[in-house]
Amino acid sequence: AQTVTQSQPEMSVQEAETVTLSCTYDTSESNYYLFWYKQPPSRQMILVIRQEAYKQQNATENRFSVNFQKAAKSFSLKISDSQLGDTAMYFCAFMRPGANSKLTFGKGITLSVRP
Amino acid sequence: DVKVTQSSRYLVKRTGEKVFLECVQDMDHENMFWYRQDPGLGLRLIYFSYDVKMKEKGDIPEGYSVSREKKERFSLILESASTNQTSMYLCASRRAVRSEAFFGQGTRLTVV
Repeated sequence: AQTVTQSQPEMSVQEAETVTLSCTYDTSESNYYLFWYKQPPSRQMILVIRQEAYKQQNATENRFSVNFQKAAKSFSLKISDSQLGDTAMYFCAFMRPGANSKLTFGKGITLSVRP
Repeated sequence: DVKVTQSSRYLVKRTGEKVFLECVQDMDHENMFWYRQDPGLGLRLIYFSYDVKMKEKGDIPEGYSVSREKKERFSLILESASTNQTSMYLCASRRAVRSEAFFGQGTRLTVV
């Protein structure tokens, strides 16, 4: 079974600075997807970024980028130029490829951006 | 835009009641999921359905059942609600051949 570990329950960052959220996972699969989801106080879960394991290049979406280390089974999220709207819970998630696959989530991290 | 709609944002029920949580998606997705979210525990999968009338237990199915009679609707049923089922419930859907899942806005259920 796959497991996803987010060991930091909370983090805080000053507006405009950079913050990195950590995630590790365990799997015996060679191909899979990794995700970061954001859940703001409105509770609407939104996909931030996705990485496919067979792609060596790290995914980037505007101010959000990942550091994917396949051998180390590490998948961290870097948020550059932090904004107040980035305040949210962030969940790391794993999924095998395939038609009937399910997402396995970490416990999440609460990120607070200070003005 | 994909829309996943949960029937209630907040719900208060009494112990022993039968509770229905409804979820509807408008994008013809094959896969639908019910997760439970608790502080410090993240999201845990209760049940998922990969097609109409097809379902599979997740990690914490005890005390719950599901129904999927139509492709767009996936219902979570608490047969006899208990206080330890007080939680946030999230529904999600996904097209089988794509990776991204879309979530509803969540239902915060309180059982008193």
